[in-house]
Amino acid sequence: GNSVTQMEGPVTLSEEAFLTINCTYTATGYPSLFWYVQYPGEGLQLLLKATKADDKGSNKGFEATYRKETTSFHLEKGSVQVSDSAVYFCALSEAGGTSYGKLTFGQGTILTVHP
Amino acid sequence: GAGVSQSPSNKVTEKGKDVELRCDPISGHTALYWYRQSLGQGLEFLIYFQGNSAPDKSGLPSDRFSAERTGGSVSTLTIQRTQQEDSAVYLCASSLDIRNYNEQFFGPGTRLTVL
Repeated sequence: GNSVTQMEGPVTLSEEAFLTINCTYTATGYPSLFWYVQYPGEGLQLLLKATKADDKGSNKGFEATYRKETTSFHLEKGSVQVSDSAVYFCALSEAGGTSYGKLTFGQGTILTVHP
Repeated sequence: GAGVSQSPSNKVTEKGKDVELRCDPISGHTALYWYRQSLGQGLEFLIYFQGNSAPDKSGLPSDRFSAERTGGSVSTLTIQRTQQEDSAVYLCASSLDIRNYNEQFFGPGTRLTVL
């Protein structure tokens, strides 16, 4: 079956530091890949996505590139802010079959950014 | 409303009682998804609806769980004879239709505590 593995946290950084959160996946077909973010007290929000190999998703200064050869979708940001403190989830979905649109999530990585 | 809404936001119940959780998707969205977020299992897919139909119920954790959707809008997730392991945050998401499964918008969740 499909699975997503992301680096364990928590991750603690100082403001303006570089961020990388690793994510690798296992899938039988050609999944779409996502990063979702959950800010304190809020619901899950889509941060960025990529639907095919070599696509780069980007939003709010965050980027991730779909690497089929390494089955990875690592999240990066050049300079984090205190407001980026949240839980980040890597996820995949595959079309087709009866579980259409089912999102398979990683365990989540807690990011804390200090001033 | 503008987003997915869920009610109640919090529910505390006694073991053995039945509970109903409600999800109101974004107006015009025909696809609806239920997920569960718990400490032990992370984020798990439960079931999805396209219109009023749920093609695959295998993600439901046990036969105590059921879900329905009528009128192509509001959905209810029912848990019968609740157990302590059912304690979790139950998340609902919707998308324009099942072909747009890559654009799932999540509600704030219902936090269920079974005593």
